[in-house]
Amino acid sequence: DAKTTQPNSMESNEEEPVHLPCNHSTISGTDYIHWYRQLPSQGPEYVIHGLTSNVNNRMASLAIAEDRKSSTLILHRATLRDAAVYYCILIPNDYKLSFGAGTTVTVRA
Amino acid sequence: DTGVSQDPRHKITKRGQNVTFRCDPISEHNRLYWYRQTLGQGPEFLTYFQNEAQLEKSRLLSDRFSAERPKGSFSTLEIQRTEQGDSAMYLCASSLGDSTLFYDTQYFGPGTRLTVL
Repeated sequence: DAKTTQPNSMESNEEEPVHLPCNHSTISGTDYIHWYRQLPSQGPEYVIHGLTSNVNNRMASLAIAEDRKSSTLILHRATLRDAAVYYCILIPNDYKLSFGAGTTVTVRA
Repeated sequence: DTGVSQDPRHKITKRGQNVTFRCDPISEHNRLYWYRQTLGQGPEFLTYFQNEAQLEKSRLLSDRFSAERPKGSFSTLEIQRTEQGDSAMYLCASSLGDSTLFYDTQYFGPGTRLTVL
């Protein structure tokens, strides 16, 4: 499975944007880039995914580098409820998610 | 809107005992997955079902572990002769399993936290 590298932790102030980087230099042409997050004491939840183009949804935006070797999850205005562990995952198929350690996001009020 | 449910939410058992967990997926979801998560780590894939068929098992799933999904609805995960190393959060997820979709979002339950004393 292709590997991803994320910072261990990031801090942000409430209502400020958060940019979460993910490096995936060994990505293959058929790997989709997925982001999940896990709030404290809950199971992971889907955030967003993309292949080549930037993507937006109600939760976040995903910016994908032109060479696809890195991507950035953007939370436009962080709230206290966005405090979670964020996972960047590459999968060629639509099953068997391989989670790393993720990035722990702390939001300061 | 009922999401994925898991029962029990917490289980404390003594080493050597058997435990069974239940997962009820979202209605009409054909795929069901089990993951295990230890403290400070991301979830690790254990196994998954397409309807009632168990299609893949991780090497993490030792002979003491067995999972079933009778009739393609709910699933059970049983651990026999529990060991302290089995202490973890056991997560269940389900997805539509529609091969016509480019991506098949997995929806996770709240997990069952197992503590083996």
